[in-house]
Amino acid sequence: QKEVEQNSGPLSVPEGAIASLNCTYSDRGSQSFFWYRQYSGKSPELIMSIYSNGDKEDGRFTAQLNKASQYVSLLIRDSQPSDSATYLCAGDSGGYNKLIFGAGTRLAVHP
Amino acid sequence: DVKVTQSSRYLVKRTGEKVFLECVQDMDHENMFWYRQDPGLGLRLIYFSYDVKMKEKGDIPEGYSVSREKKERFSLILESASTNQTSMYLCASYRLAGGINEQFFGPGTRLTVL
Repeated sequence: QKEVEQNSGPLSVPEGAIASLNCTYSDRGSQSFFWYRQYSGKSPELIMSIYSNGDKEDGRFTAQLNKASQYVSLLIRDSQPSDSATYLCAGDSGGYNKLIFGAGTRLAVHP
Repeated sequence: DVKVTQSSRYLVKRTGEKVFLECVQDMDHENMFWYRQDPGLGLRLIYFSYDVKMKEKGDIPEGYSVSREKKERFSLILESASTNQTSMYLCASYRLAGGINEQFFGPGTRLTVL
């Protein structure tokens, strides 16, 4: 069974701090990884994608991928209360652009 | 802007009823997906379609069927609704934009089966 694992949280960080969200995956065939943000009662929206080992930065967000360790992470710098949401990690699996999602990590940024 | 719409935000049905959930996308995408989302379990793939009239089972297809008669519309059917199908149902459409593969989600339908 192919899986993507995330700590459910909640992860609580103070405003302005760095939030670090982590994810591991079991399918060594996965090549592409995605971070979605989901506010309560809303649908997921894509915030970062990463395909190669290393870091990818976009504004306050940095995604990190280590295929040897089967590990993906998302760093959020200068965290804001508006970043409070559930963050879903996903990896591609089995063609047709299918994704396997983790259960999500709930992030709470407190003022 | 990409738009994925779902027929209802909230739906209440009775056990044994046949339920239709509809999803429409306006960007001529080939691939469409139906997920259900439950607390602690994340998103689980029910069915997907890669072209008109083409469908494939996902990880949890039991109790569901789908229909894709037109490219823009992908319907999820619960043949005989049961209480364990109470869930949030999310439809997604795949696009390749700016070199990024993205599944773009509709607003979701929260289904309650009594």
